[in-house]
Amino acid sequence: KAGVTQTPRYLIKTRGQQVTLSCSPISGHRSVSWYQQTPGQGLQFLFEYFSETQRNKGNFPGRFSGRQFSNSRSEMNVSTLELGDSALYLCASSPRSGLGVVETQYFGPGTRLLVL
Amino acid sequence: AQSVTQPDIHITVSEGASLELRCNYSYGATPYLFWYVQSPGQGLQLLLKYFSGDTLVQGIKGFEAEFKRSQSSFNLRKPSVHWSDAAEYFCAVGLNSGGYQKVTFGTGTKLQVIP
Repeated sequence: KAGVTQTPRYLIKTRGQQVTLSCSPISGHRSVSWYQQTPGQGLQFLFEYFSETQRNKGNFPGRFSGRQFSNSRSEMNVSTLELGDSALYLCASSPRSGLGVVETQYFGPGTRLLVL
Repeated sequence: AQSVTQPDIHITVSEGASLELRCNYSYGATPYLFWYVQSPGQGLQLLLKYFSGDTLVQGIKGFEAEFKRSQSSFNLRKPSVHWSDAAEYFCAVGLNSGGYQKVTFGTGTKLQVIP
């Protein structure tokens, strides 16, 4: 069974640009969660999508958005990039949604974004 | 607001020794509790989780964690550490807020294992 894949793995952008990251979950998994990891702020939960609907979200500004397609693949978009958006963006897939019913959660390798 | 504290930034243990990583949370009710491990070769991985029931939770790789309501703690333990356990460990708290479920992570504890 293929694992969680994220593309691209590395990305360099400049301030003000926008970026789209992609996450393909494990086959059969319908939940995709996104996380941001930075040296200063640590690991932070962005949002979770399940069956093409955003189910849960963290405390990020509206510049951070996402969507999920019918095949469960998910994209995350960041508009008007700021220097502080430089981070490792991780996605994770699970069979079901919600903290209380997650049996297993598998993470992708991440996309490392550098904003100049 | 919920918060998670991992008081130890860095811990060094000898291979074969026991390990305990501390985690304290701040929240009125019992939240969902998690431990994750992140290593360069394997990325981020969920070790174990606690929702309710038995306060001693078994996870993967021989780890366990004990929820202590009176101390607001969820410490991670392993009886005998292996060199491959060297990694960074994150405690996390999840709760329902405003119709959403949110997860908050601690700042992490880096574990070094010496021969």
